[in-house]
Formats: sequence, C-alpha cells, structure tokens
Amino acid sequence: AQSVTQLDSQVPVFEEAPVELRCNYSSSVSVYLFWYVQYPNQGLQLLLKYLSGSTLVKGINGFEAEFNKSQTSFHLRKPSVHISDTAEYFCAVSDDGNKLVFGAGTILRVKS
Amino acid sequence: DAGVIQSPRHEVTEMGQEVTLRCKPISGHDYLFWYRQTMMRGLELLIYFNNNVPIDDSGMPEDRFSAKMPNASFSTLKIQPSEPRDSAVYFCASKTGSNQPQHFGDGTRLSIL
Repeated sequence: AQSVTQLDSQVPVFEEAPVELRCNYSSSVSVYLFWYVQYPNQGLQLLLKYLSGSTLVKGINGFEAEFNKSQTSFHLRKPSVHISDTAEYFCAVSDDGNKLVFGAGTILRVKS
Repeated sequence: DAGVIQSPRHEVTEMGQEVTLRCKPISGHDYLFWYRQTMMRGLELLIYFNNNVPIDDSGMPEDRFSAKMPNASFSTLKIQPSEPRDSAVYFCASKTGSNQPQHFGDGTRLSIL
C-alpha cells in the first residue's frame, strides 16, 4: 500500500525567508501527487498537483514543487514566505487517481 | 461557484446517540469522498462514491458507520451508536473525473461525550 512521509512535523521560519517542506512517498510505477494547505478550522485547499509532464509544478500563492522519481520525493518550496502562509501543509499521493493517501502534515510557522 | 457544503459545522452529542453528517458536493462532480481527521491518525479515507455508487469502503472503521449517496447532490455519513473515540473532524470532498484534485468542504467537528 502507498505511504507518504512528511519528514518535519513543524517548520519555523522568518518572514521573507525561503522554505522547503519535504515529502517522500513509497515507490510505485506511476503516481499522482498533490500538496494541500489547511488553515485553522477550514478544509483543505489545493496548492498544486503533479499528474504528468514537467517535473517542476507551480501552484497558487507562489508555491512550487518538484517531482523526483528516483528519490520518490515531492518537496514543496517557496522563495519568500509571508505571515499569511502560516498553516498546516499536507502532501498526498494517489496510485489510481482516486484514493488519496495523506502524509501526517507539516505545520509552517512564519515569524516576523 | 459554491464549494462542497457540509452540515452541521459542529456537533456535540452523548455516546450512544445516532449522528448524521451531511454533504452536498460541487454540482457536476461525480466522485464523493468522506474523510476523518484526528490528531492520532491524521487524515483517513473512509469511503468514496462514483456516480452515487460506493466504490471503496475499506476505510470504514466499523459496522457502526454507514454512508449513503441517494442522489448526485447529497450524501450522508451516519454513526450509530456513537462512541467517544468517534470524536474527530469529518471532511467531505468531491471531484470530477479520475486524476483530478479533490475539493474539500470545511468539515464537521464531532464531539461525542
């Protein structure tokens, strides 16, 4: 069965600094990869997705992620974070395009 | 466009009571998913439907849980009888077509006393 590992449970970072949130998944022939963000007391909002094609995926709010098949990774990056980026971020993987397996989440805390 | 709508947003009830959570997917979406989120287990898929038909219910924890989708615009998740360990945030999500991202509702925060 597919599994997802988010290596950091919390990432503190100062405003305007770059950030990388790490995600690794168990190997599969083909996968579909997603990053979602969850603000307090809200549902999950899609940041970006990788279905096929270019391994560098750009999403909303200035986030991007790179699919690395050899390392089975899909790390999320932003070159300069804002206070408003403080939230919990979830990496998710699907083998069949329907069932999502989520990582445990990474709380990004942006400090001024 | 209206997103996925869940009701109620909060539910507090005593153990043993029946609980019904409701979801209205985005119009035109033919997939509907129910998830449970807890601190201990994270986000877990409970069941999903395609064209109102349950496709995979392997995540439903026990017979106390049941889900229905009587039509394309409505689904329920029922817990009977409820237990304190059912306390969690329950999310509904919908999407259109395979390989497409899921759109989540704001969730129902359920507390079983």
